[in-house]
Order: sequence, then structure tokens, then C-alpha cells
Amino acid sequence: GAVVSQHPSRVICKSGTSVKIECRSLDFQATTMFWYRQFPKKSLMLMATSNEGSKATYEQGVEKDKFLINHASLTLSTLTVTSAHPEDSSFYICSARGGREAEAFFGQGTRLTVV
Amino acid sequence: AQSVAQPEDQVNVAEGNPLTVKCTYSVSGNPYLFWYVQYPNRGLQFLLKYITGDNLVKGSYGFEAEFNKSQTSFHLKKPSALVSDSALYFCAVRGSNDYKLSFGAGTTVTVRA
Repeated sequence: GAVVSQHPSRVICKSGTSVKIECRSLDFQATTMFWYRQFPKKSLMLMATSNEGSKATYEQGVEKDKFLINHASLTLSTLTVTSAHPEDSSFYICSARGGREAEAFFGQGTRLTVV
Repeated sequence: AQSVAQPEDQVNVAEGNPLTVKCTYSVSGNPYLFWYVQYPNRGLQFLLKYITGDNLVKGSYGFEAEFNKSQTSFHLKKPSALVSDSALYFCAVRGSNDYKLSFGAGTTVTVRA
């Protein structure tokens, strides 16, 4: 299957700082990328959907000013958690789909810990 | 609205025994159905999908799933489970005109040696 690379896999940051997470499709052009948040032993919560070159569409209840999403190219999307607080600590996962593929492919996930 | 139900939080089986993970769905129109597996602190790995065609779909690592339209189910099966199959399994659905996936709550599979 297609490969989606997410970086970093783990990050620890201080409260009040910003953290950027990258999601890259390595061997296909991702027309659409998705960002999820996963709480321990819970399912994935869709945060936003981004299409290359346009603004992201955020799900209800997700603060767009706090979780900045950029999809500047067909192979890269970034999620920036601004002014992070301990409650933002979570596992963040991106996925990407492109072309005629029906399934989305997922990155390895990023464990964010805000101290 | 689309949704997925995975009625079992946990499934425990002995190695070598058959494994079944249940999934039922609700979606408008024709369903696109998927199974993913997640290992600790990792992203989701794609196992298999049903879009159209044969109701029995074969996927990675010896897994298969059967689409049952009348029961709106898409149960995941493996004839002989391995200890390495122990993981968290997610069923997901989307409509043919919608790119957003809806996930089930996940089922933790434990295969004991």
C-alpha cells in the first residue's frame, strides 16, 4: 500500500509553546488529508479535513485558531498546535488519500506531551 | 449520518483458534467498508476493504471479511489466530460520495499462546 510518513513520532513541549507535526505522502499525491486525535483506548476523532491549496474544514468543536492546518502541496500537510496546554496532550494521527484510491493511508502517529 | 458499531470491546482467543471481530454499519447509499489494525503507539495499518464485488474480501496477514448487506455487517475473520495478531482493530465506513471515514470504537484482540 501507499506510504504516509508522520514526523515527529514523539514530542514533549512546554506549556504555552507551539508544536508542528508534519504528514507526508511518500509515493502518491494526496489530494485530501485528514487529521485525527486519539485518546487512550478510544477511537479516532476527526479534527479536520484539508484539500491541497485550500483552507481546512474543521469538525464541530475543534478550535481552528488552536489547531492550524496547512496543506501547501500534494505531498505535505502540517498541523500546528498553538499555545499548547497539558490538555492538548494526545496521540495525533494523519491520513491521506489520493486519486482513485478508495482507502486512506495513515501515518505512524505523533505522541504529544505538554508539560 | 454514517456510523459504525463494534459491539465487543475485547476479544480473547487461543492461538490457532478462529478469530472473529464484529462490525455493523449505517450509511446512506452504497457503503465503502474498511478494517484497520493498530499496534501500541502506532498509526493504523490498512487490512482490507469492501467497495463492490464479492462479498468475501481477503486482505493482509490472512484476514478476511464478509460483507452482508441485509444484516449491514462486515465482520473480520481469521481462521487461525497468531499471538502477533494481538492489537486494536477498527472498522470504518464511508459513503461512496463522502471521503470522511467514520470509525467504530475499536476492539482489542488478545491472542494467548
